[in-house]
Amino acid sequence: DTGVSQDPRHKITKRGQNVTFRCDPISEHNRLYWYRQTLGQGPEFLTYFQNEAQLEKSRLLSDRFSAERPKGSFSTLEIQRTEQGDSAMYLCATHRDRVFTGELFFGEGSRLTVL
Amino acid sequence: KQEVTQIPAALSVPEGENLVLNCSFTDSAIYNLQWFRQDPGKGLTSLLLIQSSQREQTSGRLNASLDKSSGRSTLYIAASQPGDSATYLCALSPGGYQKVTFGTGTKLQVIP
Repeated sequence: DTGVSQDPRHKITKRGQNVTFRCDPISEHNRLYWYRQTLGQGPEFLTYFQNEAQLEKSRLLSDRFSAERPKGSFSTLEIQRTEQGDSAMYLCATHRDRVFTGELFFGEGSRLTVL
Repeated sequence: KQEVTQIPAALSVPEGENLVLNCSFTDSAIYNLQWFRQDPGKGLTSLLLIQSSQREQTSGRLNASLDKSSGRSTLYIAASQPGDSATYLCALSPGGYQKVTFGTGTKLQVIP
């Protein structure tokens, strides 16, 4: 069990480009969250999955953002037509248990810089 | 909607001091509360998890308490060290399929 893995750790892109982040959860962790964090702020919820089902999406998640979790394992977060305001750390967190929430485990995050 | 507040936003103390970080929340219907540490540019590391039926949890120099009736949790750090310098965040889970909500964090600096 190597923990939650996120890739890439840092992405620099030009405005208007598409970017995709990947999160590999801890084995058997069936719930997976995406959060966004800007400097000096706590993480803001974006979306989460129970296995392959996307259960909730934040209003922060505009239609330029899409997240998937095919087969209920790894997840991807894609941002289309990036804007400078998308620059942030994108954090993935996972935990086990279907109904009762347990301890939340975070990856190291993927930092996005939009020029 | 759950609102989570952490005060102070920043704290600077000399090495060796005992200190308390605060986390306040508006909805007492929580399943658990978790305290995290975040170093600059890094992800979050779990420190302590308190279930709603518990009053406190301890790990080494850290002690976290939970008072649902007053909507408060505290993280007590004993004999602070420069290596404790980081941002500390609390996160609340309402249980079931509901999402976890984070506070804005307290940035701690321990001066040698």
